Amino acid sequence: GAVVSQHPSWVICKSGTSVKIECRSLDFQATTMFWYRQFPKQSLMLMATSNEGSKATYEQGVEKDKFLINHASLTLSTLTVTSAHPEDSSFYICSASRGGWNTWDTDTQYFGPGTRLTVL
Amino acid sequence: TQLLEQSPQFLSIQEGENLTVYCNSSSVFSSLQWYRQEPGEGPVLLVTVVTGGEVKKLKRLTFQFGDARKDSSLHITAAQPGDTGLYLCAGQRGGGADGLTFGKGTHLIIQP
Repeated sequence: GAVVSQHPSWVICKSGTSVKIECRSLDFQATTMFWYRQFPKQSLMLMATSNEGSKATYEQGVEKDKFLINHASLTLSTLTVTSAHPEDSSFYICSASRGGWNTWDTDTQYFGPGTRLTVL
Repeated sequence: TQLLEQSPQFLSIQEGENLTVYCNSSSVFSSLQWYRQEPGEGPVLLVTVVTGGEVKKLKRLTFQFGDARKDSSLHITAAQPGDTGLYLCAGQRGGGADGLTFGKGTHLIIQP
């Protein structure tokens, strides 16, 4: 169990367009979902944390108006890259955990397979 | 910002040799996790360590969490070509609702 999917797995778009990436927990309810970005040859960097039904919390340096996150249900979170530019080209990875804001127990994050975004 | 220093960044060894990857921080983490990531895929969890001094074994892989919960190590015994990949350590700052802070990763190549 604990499978997380992402769609699409890769996308190529023109500069200035918006791209939506979906993250789904397939066999569990994810109270919390996380979005990470990974540039070539680098590690994963946390972009934002989202909880179902509330606004996402963005890490320092991540523009919330550019990277729109919606966590509308316990199994789906979406990341929309608005007005994408070539520098936004990256590997976007989501993760999901069962834990919520009220738990201080360690909770495993299950990662999706990632979405490769290329902006021309 | 809590940083995780992972070393070495690159390691190429012969099949059958042993190796250790280190993950160090000046900050305390509530838990530390080790992942393995293949090119073009998301990271796959290998182990989570929570208690200071904890040691966990996964076949030929041994994971240790430092007593002060600031550092961790991954030791691979008798490395095999199938162990080749990117190994990432990641620390959780607080509870289950907190994102992970990743180290830069160790690119491991095991030559047959």
